[in-house]
Amino acid sequence: DVKVTQSSRYLVKRTGEKVFLECVQDMDHENMFWYRQDPGLGLRLIYFSYDVKMKEKGDIPEGYSVSREKKERFSLILESASTNQTSMYLCGTTEPGSSYTFGSGTRLTVV
Amino acid sequence: EDKVVQSPLSLVVHEGDTVTLNCSYEVTNFRSLLWYKQEKKAPTFLFMLTSSGIEKKSGRLSSILDKKELSSILNITATQTGDSAIYLCAAQPISGTYKYIFGTGTRLKVLA
Repeated sequence: DVKVTQSSRYLVKRTGEKVFLECVQDMDHENMFWYRQDPGLGLRLIYFSYDVKMKEKGDIPEGYSVSREKKERFSLILESASTNQTSMYLCGTTEPGSSYTFGSGTRLTVV
Repeated sequence: EDKVVQSPLSLVVHEGDTVTLNCSYEVTNFRSLLWYKQEKKAPTFLFMLTSSGIEKKSGRLSSILDKKELSSILNITATQTGDSAIYLCAAQPISGTYKYIFGTGTRLKVLA
């Protein structure tokens, strides 16, 4: 089975800090993604990556950027964290014909 | 705009009860509908449905897709406290990408 690892389970950061959320998969999958999950809003796509050269903005990319220098690692960057970015962040991977495999999530609190 | 709506938003039942969770979708060029269970961490895959009217089963859980009604249901029989979770429904369009559109989820609590 594919394993997806998110480096931090819980994270507390201050407003204005630059925040890096890391996601690593142990298979050779091309596609990786980042969603955020908020009560009443469900999961919303932030960025999707089709390979190390292709990244596509999702529905709510504002305030975020991504980096994918190696196929197995997809990082989400909050350039200047704000309190409205307090959320659960889920990354994962998928391949054609298969469903999403998620990491365990990072619960980020910005104070 | 593509969207997925789940109902009810939350549900409290007692062990042994049967529950039905609903998911409706409005998605251009629909490909498949998926159900996930999320406890305290990562959502875990339950079912992928692509054909209308064909029930998929896994133990006490079953699901079926109705493409005419643009909806799906997830049934859980003889519920147990371990079924307490958020159940997520997602639709995947045929768009050459692999992006899902998620509903807000149904929070199920099963009391002993």
